[in-house]
Amino acid sequence: DAGITQSPRYKITETGRQVTLMCHQTWSHSYMFWYRQDLGHGLRLIYYSAAADITDKGEVSDGYVVSRSKTENFPLTLESATRSQTSVYFCASSDRRGRSYEQYFGPGTRLTVT
Amino acid sequence: EDQVTQSPEALRLQEGESSSLNCSYTVSGLRGLFWYRQDPGKGPEFLFTLYSAGEEKEKERLKATLTKKESFLHITAPKPEDSATYLCAVRDSGNTPLVFGKGTRLSVIA
Repeated sequence: DAGITQSPRYKITETGRQVTLMCHQTWSHSYMFWYRQDLGHGLRLIYYSAAADITDKGEVSDGYVVSRSKTENFPLTLESATRSQTSVYFCASSDRRGRSYEQYFGPGTRLTVT
Repeated sequence: EDQVTQSPEALRLQEGESSSLNCSYTVSGLRGLFWYRQDPGKGPEFLFTLYSAGEEKEKERLKATLTKKESFLHITAPKPEDSATYLCAVRDSGNTPLVFGKGTRLSVIA
């Protein structure tokens, strides 16, 4: 089915471990985004990508790494997880239709760092 | 500096009691104001995009309007299934990523 999927949906890891969250979209959208959502902060942008091999930092990029070798995939890696990275992570994608840039979101990954 | 402020943070309505949610924004050149609905445990779901002052869009019991400084999401005769968090976001001139407000948590009681 077409859409945007994230895996895993839930993850528990320990401080200091490397964790990779996966995001896959079937729309061939150019843009992909990673957000984290925390109580009191709303959605905050971590990284985004305008196309394969093009990525840019967002508001809260420290401690995160992304890559985009294929248009449909945009993995997010926490190089050495910290408790402050416990959050719900959402991936989104968008494409330009005229002047429209609405983003479509995945179901989220709930990450707990112990 | 907050670019998008939503109010109220939470709103509790009786079924059928119409009300409005507010989204005020400060951007240099608005390239779009977006409304999303988010249910617990799910990703945000796109509702509307507004581009210029005076524009209005409707979907079922929801109507979004836009002025030069704010947007309103009007909910007419809400039902319990309208309960959700409603998020507002803006796209600034020259920037692709959206900037989100913190949302309004709406509860509609039967």
